[in-house]
Order: sequence, then structure tokens, then C-alpha cells
Amino acid sequence: DIVMTQSPDSLAVSLGERATISCKSSQTILHSAANGDHLSWYQQKPGQPPKLLIYWASTRESGVPDRFSGSGSGTDFTLTISSLQAEDVAVYYCQQYAHSPYTFGQGTKLEIK
Amino acid sequence: EVQLVESGGGLVQPGGSLRVSCAASGFTFSNYWMHWVRQVPGKGLVWVSHIDNDGSSSTYADSVKGRFTISRDNAKNTLHLQMNSLRAEDTAVYYCVRGAGGFDLWGQGTLVTVSS
Repeated sequence: DIVMTQSPDSLAVSLGERATISCKSSQTILHSAANGDHLSWYQQKPGQPPKLLIYWASTRESGVPDRFSGSGSGTDFTLTISSLQAEDVAVYYCQQYAHSPYTFGQGTKLEIK
Repeated sequence: EVQLVESGGGLVQPGGSLRVSCAASGFTFSNYWMHWVRQVPGKGLVWVSHIDNDGSSSTYADSVKGRFTISRDNAKNTLHLQMNSLRAEDTAVYYCVRGAGGFDLWGQGTLVTVSS
């Protein structure tokens, strides 16, 4: 199974500042039948289901603010929030969907400093 | 409206069975792979199972293999998860999820509690 490891486990950032979350996969998630890394990022707020933010490692889902961006390839990926807003307080998860089981990272809790 | 609505959760004794379902609407259900993902309240997300768009192929997490069965009825736009030999560690919110590039549509979840 592919293990997804996020860092840090929690993060406190001041409003308007940049937040960066790392995700590393135990093996490459560049699927041979496709052109992109099968890596997604999700945001989950309390009492709500997760929301897809980024897929194919760097493609922003429709309606997601452009302060959210994804980067990386191979086994190392990053979610960046360029200017933190109060509504961004949430838990963020990465996930690989290249190979079953489609594993998630353990989550990163983002708070306001 | 594009949505997924789960049902069927509840309290079940260890060793018992439960079937949770998911009603899809607002999109062409038969075009998509579907998944179940579970989450113990306050904990992380765990992928459980997938089924491809015509139901011909499915996969499972090792923790549920041989106990859970995923199925779908494309004529009724419905996804199911039959859960047998339930254990306390299966207690979680079960989400029905559409798979596209990433998991792009999630239901609100249904809580399954396994306890005597």
C-alpha cells in the first residue's frame, strides 16, 4: 500500500500570511495510463464532509479560491494557501488515487495564530 | 441539484450486519466510479471500497475485505455497502463519494455505531 505522510500535523499561521502543507508518498503516484500525478487535496471543516480543493496535484477545483495552489510531482507535494483567511481554518488531507487502496494522509490541522 | 444522500446507518451489535445506501441525483451516475470512505469522529479519513462505473470491478481496504460488499444499481442511481461481521472498530461516519479526478462529490455521511 502507498503510505501518505503529511507534515506538519498542525500549523498556526497569522491572517494574511502564507500556509504550506507538505505531503509525501511512499512511492510514485504518476499513473502510467495518465499524464498527471494522482494526488488530491481536501479541506474539512467541523461537522462537514471533506471538500475537494486540488486534483492532479495542481488543478484547482471549480469554485476554489485562487489563494489555494498545489504543486509537486513524483513523491513530494505541497498545498499552499497564499494569504490565510479566517474561513480557511480546517483540517487538510492529501490523498493518492493512483492505486487501490486509495490512501489519505493523516491530516494537518490549520489554525489562526 | 448534484448530490449524494446516504441512509441506513444506526446502532448494531458486534457480529451483526448492516446495509448502508447512497442515492445519487443530478448527474449521470453510471458514468462514475463510486467509493465509500469512513471517518471515526475526530479522526482521519479512511478509504473503504470502490466500484467501477458498471459494477464489474471492485476493491476493498484490507480491514474490511471478506466482510463488506459494495454494489450499485445504475437503473436506480443507488450505491450500497453491505457490512457483515461488524466490529467495534468499524464504528464511523460512512461517506458515499464520487470518484473523478480526485473525489469530487461527497455525501453528508451516515453514522454506523457497533456496540453492545
